[in-house]
Order: sequence, then structure tokens, then C-alpha cells
Amino acid sequence: AQTVTQSQPEMSVQEAETVTLSCTYDTSESDYYLFWYKQPPSRQMILVIRQEAYKQQNATENRFSVNFQKAAKSFSLKISDSQLGDAAMYFCAYRRDNSNSGYALNFGKGTSLLVTP
Amino acid sequence: DAGVIQSPRHEVTEMGQEVTLRCKPISGHNSLFWYRQTMMRGLELLIYFNNNVPIDDSGMPEDRFSAKMPNASFSTLKIQPSEPRDSAVYFCASLRGFGEQYFGPGTRLTVT
Repeated sequence: AQTVTQSQPEMSVQEAETVTLSCTYDTSESDYYLFWYKQPPSRQMILVIRQEAYKQQNATENRFSVNFQKAAKSFSLKISDSQLGDAAMYFCAYRRDNSNSGYALNFGKGTSLLVTP
Repeated sequence: DAGVIQSPRHEVTEMGQEVTLRCKPISGHNSLFWYRQTMMRGLELLIYFNNNVPIDDSGMPEDRFSAKMPNASFSTLKIQPSEPRDSAVYFCASLRGFGEQYFGPGTRLTVT
């Protein structure tokens, strides 16, 4: 079974600064997807960014970017120019690229991000 | 589109009672997932449907839990009898093909 590890239970960043959230995973698959989800206090799960394992280029979405290291099985999220609205729980998730096994997500335990003024 | 709809948003019940959580996926989505979120275990998959058929229910904790998807626009997760350790937030998510999963707002269940 695939496991996803987020080693930072909590992180803090000042407004306008940059923060990096860590995620490692364990898999024997070669094709898969990785995701970062944001969960604000409203508890709604919001997709932040996704990365296909076959793509070497790191995904970016505005202020959010990832550092995907396939050989190291590492998938970190960088938030630039942090804003107060970025404060939330962030979950790293893994998904197989195999329709026979379904497309369920395996989540890490999450990192709570605090943004200070 | 209204997104994934879950009801109720909050449920408080007493131990031993039956609880039914409901989900309406996004129209046109052919896969539906039930997840449970707790402080201890994080987010975990309970069951996954594809084209209304249960594909993987290995995450269902025990026989007290059951899930159905009678048609493409409705699914239920039932707990009978409920126990305090079932207290959690239950999410429903849907997707079309192999794209992005869209999550509902969740149901916060408290069993006293």
C-alpha cells in the first residue's frame, strides 16, 4: 500500500514571505499523480495543485509551486508571497494512475500552516 | 453546477442510534468516494463506487457501516448502531473519468 508522510505537523510563516511544506511518499508504481489540498476552517477540501509523475516539469499555480523529486519520492509545496488567507491545513495526497484499482486518494496527516501579519 | 452536496452538515446522535449520511455527486461524474476524517487517523477512504457499483470497500471499518449507490445521483452511508468512536467528519467526493476529485462540504457526526 502507498503511504504518504508529512513530517511537519505545524508551520508558521510571516505574511509576504515564502514557506515550503514537505511531503514524501512510498510506492512501487511508476505512473501516479500527486496533489496538494488545502482545508481552511470551513473544512472544505480545495485542490491547490497537481503533478503527474510522468512529467519532469514541476507544476505551478500562481503563488503555489511544487518541487517534485521522483527518485527521492519527494513532493514539496512552496507558497510564495504568503497571504493571511493561506492559513489552513494542507494535505499531500497520492493517487494511482490505474483505472482497475480506482482513483482513490491516499492522504498524509496534514500540515497546519499559520500565517502571521 | 452546485458541486457535491452532502446532508446533513451536522449530525448529533446518541450511541446505538442509526445514522444516515447522504451525498449527491456532480452530474455526469461516474465515480464516488466516501472518506472519513479524524484527528487520530486523518483522512481515510471508506468506500469507492464506479458507475454505481462498489469497487473497493476495504476501508469500511466494520459491519456496522454500509453504503449504497442506487443511482448515479445519490449515495448513502449508514451506520447502525452508531458508537462514540464513529464521531468524525465524513466527506463525499466525485470525479469524472480520471480527473480531479471534487469534495463535498462534509458532514460532522457527533455520537454521544
